[in-house]
Amino acid sequence: EVVLTQSPDFQSVTPKEKVTITCRASQSIGSSLHWYQQKPDQSPKLLIKYASQSFSGVPSRFSGSGSGTDFTLTIKSLEAEDAATYYCHQSTSLPYTFGQGTKLEIK
Amino acid sequence: EVQLVESGGGLVQPGGSLRLSCAASGFTFSSYWMSWVRQAPGKGLEWVANIKEDGSKSYYVDSVKGRFAISRDNAKNSLYLQMNSLRAEDTAVYYCARGIIVVSYSGFAFDIWGQGTTVTVSS
Repeated sequence: EVVLTQSPDFQSVTPKEKVTITCRASQSIGSSLHWYQQKPDQSPKLLIKYASQSFSGVPSRFSGSGSGTDFTLTIKSLEAEDAATYYCHQSTSLPYTFGQGTKLEIK
Repeated sequence: EVQLVESGGGLVQPGGSLRLSCAASGFTFSSYWMSWVRQAPGKGLEWVANIKEDGSKSYYVDSVKGRFAISRDNAKNSLYLQMNSLRAEDTAVYYCARGIIVVSYSGFAFDIWGQGTTVTVSS
């Protein structure tokens, strides 16, 4: 099973700040790494697929990079509405697995 | 509008059974892999099962193998999860999700999610 470890677990940030969330895989997964945003009491929403492909309708301030075992989600200029928990997810091998989540709090 | 709507959740005793449904609309259901993903209270996301477009293949996380069965009815645009021998640790919000595939990459991301249905296993 591929274990995904996100860092940090929690971050308190100010609006307009640049945010970086990392996801490390326990083995190489190529580019089959996806990012989701989940706000309280809502379903997850896809932000980035296959490491760096932006999903339709997602604001351009969200971007992804990486391959192999190390991946990054970047929020270029944080907005108040970005307060949420962010998850990475790998689809290279079964079972599909998710990272433990990174909670972003807006100061 | 592309939409997934789950139903069938509820309170069930340990050892009991429950059948979840997911109604799809706004897209060609039979052209997509579909999945169930769950989230225990206050916890992260856990993939549960996948089913191929035509229903010919399905895959499960080890913790539910032999107890849960994913199925679909493409004529009714519906996805199902039959859950038997339920345990307390199966308590979660269950989401159905659509798989989006990009050729030349492995597996798929989940691009559309339902609102979830809550399953509580307790005596």
